[in-house]
Amino acid sequence: KAGVTQTPRYLIKTRGQQVTLSCSPISGHRSVSWYQQTPGQGLQFLFEYFSETQRNKGNFPGRFSGRQFSNSRSEMNVSTLELGDSALYLCASSFGNEQFFGPGTRLTVL
Amino acid sequence: AQSVTQLGSHVSVSEGALVLLRCNYSSSVPPYLFWYVQYPNQGLQLLLKYTTGATLVKGINGFEAEFKKSETSFHLTKPSAHMSDAAEYFCAVSNAGGTSYGKLTFGQGTILTVHP
Repeated sequence: KAGVTQTPRYLIKTRGQQVTLSCSPISGHRSVSWYQQTPGQGLQFLFEYFSETQRNKGNFPGRFSGRQFSNSRSEMNVSTLELGDSALYLCASSFGNEQFFGPGTRLTVL
Repeated sequence: AQSVTQLGSHVSVSEGALVLLRCNYSSSVPPYLFWYVQYPNQGLQLLLKYTTGATLVKGINGFEAEFKKSETSFHLTKPSAHMSDAAEYFCAVSNAGGTSYGKLTFGQGTILTVHP
């Protein structure tokens, strides 16, 4: 089976812009989770979607949002970008209690 | 609420030496525990996990970990380090059961350096 794929791999934006990141889970996986990784804060949970519904949510402002489509693919959106949003955004799909991570999208906000 | 503490942000060992990476967790419900490894510019790869049953779990690349409920610990070990083990390691916890599988709480990570 193909692994979790994330697009794009690298992204450069300026403050105030918005961005959409995409994640395609492993075939058959219905749960998709998103994480933000920064040197200062480490790995932090953003949200999880299961069967097109948000099932869990982390402590991030409303500028961070996501959705999941009927084919389980997921997108996350960050509006009004801030410098502090520069990070590696990781997506993981799961079947049962194990999560499989994608390579991440490296977002740089200038 | 759950939390994970990894003792030592950097660990350095010689090739062939024992690797010991420490992880303590806090959880009000039975936990599921995981160790992940991350190589530069890559995502996370699962090394091993504890869910139920045997408290000593074996993973890939010769790593193993022991769940000790009384000590709330899940330390990662490998008898003999290899140069290819150099990476960052993350301990993580999630709730057992329910709908919380998809939410992992991570420790701050431990960078393992292996010297020739």
